[in-house]
Amino acid sequence: SYVLTQPPSVSVAPGQTARITCGGNNIGSKSVHWYQQKPGQAPVLVVYDDSDRPSGIPERFSGSNSGNTATLTISRVEAGDEADYYCQVWDSSSDHQVFGTGTKVTVL
Amino acid sequence: EVQLVESGGGLVQPGGSLRLSCAASGFTFSSYWMSWVRQAPGKGLEWVANIKQDGSEKYYVDSVKGRFTISRDNAKNSLYLQMNSLRAEDTAVYYCARCQYSSPIDYWGQGTLVTVSS
Repeated sequence: SYVLTQPPSVSVAPGQTARITCGGNNIGSKSVHWYQQKPGQAPVLVVYDDSDRPSGIPERFSGSNSGNTATLTISRVEAGDEADYYCQVWDSSSDHQVFGTGTKVTVL
Repeated sequence: EVQLVESGGGLVQPGGSLRLSCAASGFTFSSYWMSWVRQAPGKGLEWVANIKQDGSEKYYVDSVKGRFTISRDNAKNSLYLQMNSLRAEDTAVYYCARCQYSSPIDYWGQGTLVTVSS
């Protein structure tokens, strides 16, 4: 089955840039989606199809995808960005949705 | 406004059964694939199952195949998850989610907690 690997944690100071990676075999050939989940809440889609943002998501959230790594970038990080972040793809070989292992973003 | 409201969670003994329901509103339910996604306490998200708009296609994560059944009733705008032969490792918050076949999940319910314990 397809596996997506994320770093367990990323720490960033307010106003700086956080980069969260999502590694998978030839992930650049797939569409990658990113979710933000705050404690006790359901996930929220923040980036879809590698780099598009849903309505209402700040421009500070951006994404890229190439080769074996997709990246979610959060610019000008705010305290409210502290959350868990998950990448996700559709594995067409198995018709399964696959989530990454998740990354906890801590704002220092 | 899109709303997904899960119900049916609770405490069940190992080997027992439970049926989760999800009431959908604010969109044309019959036009969307639907999913169940779960999250064990302190753990990450795990996709559980998908069902096509008309119920003709269903897909499951390997760990629940043969034990869980996803279904829907478009007349009632409802999604279901029948869970049999429950195990301790099935303990999780179960989320109802809206999606299209290979597209991202754009709406989630608030989740319902299933605890499998003696």
